[in-house]
Amino acid sequence: GQNIDQPTEMTATEGAIVQINCTYQTSGFNGLFWYQQHAGEAPTFLSYNVLDGLEEKGRFSSFLSRSKGYSYLLLKELQMKDSASYLCAVIDSNYQLIWGAGTKLIIKP
Amino acid sequence: NAGVTQTPKFRILKIGQSMTLQCTQDMNHNYMYWYRQDPGMGLKLIYYSVGAGITDKGEVPNGYNVSRSTTEDFPLRLELAAPSQTSVYFCASRPDSVGNEQFFGPGTRLTVL
Repeated sequence: GQNIDQPTEMTATEGAIVQINCTYQTSGFNGLFWYQQHAGEAPTFLSYNVLDGLEEKGRFSSFLSRSKGYSYLLLKELQMKDSASYLCAVIDSNYQLIWGAGTKLIIKP
Repeated sequence: NAGVTQTPKFRILKIGQSMTLQCTQDMNHNYMYWYRQDPGMGLKLIYYSVGAGITDKGEVPNGYNVSRSTTEDFPLRLELAAPSQTSVYFCASRPDSVGNEQFFGPGTRLTVL
């Protein structure tokens, strides 16, 4: 079967750094997405990785290791507005997106 | 561009009723998707379409039907609503290339009582 694992919930402090991990076991791999979803809203795109390494985009960075089936999303200089769920999704061999259950990130002042 | 629009935003159905969730996109995307999201869960794919006239089942198609007569519109039909269909429904679209992000509509919150 296909499986994507993320921690259910994480808590961090405003101004700090947090790393959200995602491990995947899928039939094939054609890329990995991170989306942000605020409560009651639709997911919005954060990043896309298809090659190994780190992609940096402002305060957010995403890392991929295809050999380990592993990715992480790194959020720096946390702000209260970063409180949201973060969804990891993998494109499988049939070019379908397989979604993780998401990690709820709680930011405390 | 309005992006992806969905109607209605909220709906309460009685068991056995039917309804159509509307989805329209103005970005000329060929790929369109319907997902459901249950509380605390990820997105589950119901149906998808790779272009007008072409639809295919996703992971959880039972109890739903779709059609794609135009590039812009991708309605989702619920026949004989059941409490298990209580969920938030998201429509999404994307450009053709594999690595392109999906753009989501605001969602429809459906309760079946």
